[in-house]
Amino acid sequence: DGGITQSPKYLFRKEGQNVTLSCEQNLNHDAMYWYRQDPGQGLRLIYYSQIVNDFQKGDIAEGYSVSREKKESFPLTVTSAQKNPTAFYLCASSIDPAGEQYFGPGTRLTVT
Amino acid sequence: GQSLEQPSEVTAVEGAIVQINCTYQTSGFYGLSWYQQHDGGAPTFLSYNALDGLEETGRFSSFLSRSDSYGYLLLQELQMKDSASYFCAVRDPKDSNYQLIWGAGTKLIIKP
Repeated sequence: DGGITQSPKYLFRKEGQNVTLSCEQNLNHDAMYWYRQDPGQGLRLIYYSQIVNDFQKGDIAEGYSVSREKKESFPLTVTSAQKNPTAFYLCASSIDPAGEQYFGPGTRLTVT
Repeated sequence: GQSLEQPSEVTAVEGAIVQINCTYQTSGFYGLSWYQQHDGGAPTFLSYNALDGLEETGRFSSFLSRSDSYGYLLLQELQMKDSASYFCAVRDPKDSNYQLIWGAGTKLIIKP
């Protein structure tokens, strides 16, 4: 079965710690995305990657970092510099930048 | 600036028809998409309109008027499982990256 997996589903961290969220896809998609969703809000783009070894900042990249060393994987690191990291993080992929986006199940991060 | 406006909440009765409107103001336009998101879940793609007119997919239809910067999602024969948040999103070909700009979502409440 093709799809996108994110792990873990729930993550708890203390303030000041970096944390890495996993995103893997076996859809053979070139483009991958990270979004942040706060309660009652739409999705805001953190980073996106159109191809391996290339990625661009989205609208709210400050305090986050990514890598795209393999086509299948696009991990997101939430650094201690991110002021309000508690949120629902969604990873998505599409066959190309203009294609329909498929989403993973999300990771709910709580930082205290 | 870029913005999408949609009602925050709509209530309807099981078996009825409901229309969720979306107006947009973006620097570019490459199509209007609709996504469904159940509480705690990931968004799933519903429809995409690149040209004016109505697109029908089963009980769901989506309409676009580019001259009015307006679209809507029409849900017929409402079922309890349709209770979810619905997001409109405009694809903006900014820097050839075709980023999705998301509305804040409309929470659809269905009563028996």
